Amino acid sequence: DSGVTQTPKHLITATGQRVTLRCSPRSGDLSVYWYQQSLDQGLQFLIHYYNGEERAKGNILERFSAQQFPDLHSELNLSSLELGDSALYFCASSSTGYGYTFGSGTRLTVV
Amino acid sequence: GEDVEQSLFLSVREGDSSVINCTYTDSSSTYLYWYKQEPGAGLQLLTYIFSNMDMKQDQRLTVLLNKKDKHLSLRIADTQTGDSAIYFCAESITAGTALIFGKGTTLSVSS
Repeated sequence: DSGVTQTPKHLITATGQRVTLRCSPRSGDLSVYWYQQSLDQGLQFLIHYYNGEERAKGNILERFSAQQFPDLHSELNLSSLELGDSALYFCASSSTGYGYTFGSGTRLTVV
Repeated sequence: GEDVEQSLFLSVREGDSSVINCTYTDSSSTYLYWYKQEPGAGLQLLTYIFSNMDMKQDQRLTVLLNKKDKHLSLRIADTQTGDSAIYFCAESITAGTALIFGKGTTLSVSS
């Protein structure tokens, strides 16, 4: 157990739908990073939050959004889902700014 | 721009040494990482090296950094079948910035 908790582990949904992925960082970690892993694109950075504030955006689509709550958990919202959004979504947390700890991921399947 | 490249596949025999190579393009990268991903699992941090270091050793793992050539390698001594996994090289420009990953090297260990 890495200490980073992601729920749900698996999600199957239809095209056009909206889903929310949840991440609880390791205790004490203020930073949360979201990544998408697909076979063709590899691991792509989506967005970074630090203590509730957005710090950096990567290759995140406009249909996707995220937030970090006062208790430091984060949610990634994916809307108007397309088949191509099927992927593994990881979150990672960090306190020191190096040594990022990853969760076990949420596997999203869009049918 | 930022880019991290790795060879896609490496096959070794049990007991041999494995060397996984990585090149990165951003000379200002401060931290370089190696992560391991087993099938169906998240990413496990193996080791990291600061850019002011040339080498780091941790049990069976040796990391070599050549800043001039922007080349990073991970050597696994006495490779075991349990080392079979995908190994990702990653860089971050400064502490706290998002990791940029390579596409991963699949290590296959045969007995």
